[in-house]
This record gives sequence, C-alpha cells and structure tokens, in this order.
Amino acid sequence: EPEVTQTPSHQVTQMGQEVILRCVPISNHLYFYWYRQILGQKVEFLVSFYNNEISEKSEIFDDQFSVERPDGSNFTLKIRSTKLEDSAMYFCASSVGQGGSPLHFGNGTRLTVT
Amino acid sequence: SQQGEEDPQALSIQEGENATMNCSYKTSINNLQWYRQNSGRGLVHLILIRSNEREKHSGRLRVTLDTSKKSSSLLITASRAADTASYFCATDAGWGKLQFGAGTQVVVTP
Repeated sequence: EPEVTQTPSHQVTQMGQEVILRCVPISNHLYFYWYRQILGQKVEFLVSFYNNEISEKSEIFDDQFSVERPDGSNFTLKIRSTKLEDSAMYFCASSVGQGGSPLHFGNGTRLTVT
Repeated sequence: SQQGEEDPQALSIQEGENATMNCSYKTSINNLQWYRQNSGRGLVHLILIRSNEREKHSGRLRVTLDTSKKSSSLLITASRAADTASYFCATDAGWGKLQFGAGTQVVVTP
C-alpha cells in the first residue's frame, strides 16, 4: 500500500538554525498538509497546500515557517530560525481530495531544538 | 474553541472485550474521523463518518455520530493486544483542516 514517507526521522538542531523537513506524499494525492504534536499535547494543524499554494494555515504557521513543493514528489516544511518551543513531532499528510477524504500521515520527524 | 475531546483519557481492557470511547465537539462539522496512533508512529486513518450519517462499520469498528449532541463514539469489538494504541477523533469543517482531540489511550492485555 502506498505511504507517505518523511525524512529524517529525527533532527536535532540548535536554536536559531534553519531546518527543512522533507516529505514524499502519496503520488496521486493532490492535497498536502503539515501537522505537529508537541510532546504530551494534541496534534495541531499547521498548513494545507494545494495546486502549489497554501490553502489554509493556522496561527502557529507564522513567518518563520514556509512550505514548498520543489518538484513533483517532495513537499517540504522549512523553519527559518528555530526556537526551543518548535521542538515537536512534525507530521506530513496527504489526501486525494478535501472535505471528506481521509488523510494519510507519515511517521513523522521528531525535531529537537537545543 | 476546543474540538474533538475524547473520553475516557485512558482505557484498560482484556483481549476479547469491547472498547468504547467517546468524542464531543463544539462547532459544525462536515465529517468526523477516527485515527489510531501507535507509540512513536504516525496517525493511521480508521474510519470517516459524514455529518449526514449516523452509524458506520468497518471490520471490528463501529462509529456512531449524533450531530444534535455533537458527539461520536468508537466501538472496537473483540479487542486484541494489537489494538493497544492511542485513538483520536478529528473534526473536519470541510477543508481538510482537522482538529484533533487529546486522545484515548487504550491498553489491551492478553
């Protein structure tokens, strides 16, 4: 069964550094998402992406965050200047459609900011 | 506002027993979804129920939705040790922006 893959599985970075989290969504999916889960807290929506544009973003997704689909297969999340509070599990997801299509999640990237 | 609050927070049962967990939400939804998360892993979609549906089945899973009470329940019948995981409900207002609850941790002992 096709799956969403994320790399790396664990990323450690120093505060103020830039990080790029990578994702390969399922190939025939058109909608892409990033969610995050701070340890012990709920899974939170960050951003949705369709047709090479952000379709919706949360309050968390401020100017420090950006997303890109640099080619036909990858979907990336960039955090420009990481903060301690950015430490979390970041999940990429994709779906065939919106508003009624299940999301398929990757196994996540654990980001640790020191 | 908080959406998708699960109850109970934790559930411990023996293999073969049924597990029931509930989810309440506050605003209008397009659909409600249930996901499972094994420790340290991603979320796995279990079942989606649309706002105009009242009940849905998938294998050993049964989901109900009561939009008048803004609540949903997930029943896992004849549980197995492999069902040990956290279960989350997530509401979708229509744009794939899911709002997750805090989850129910289910432990199934052999």
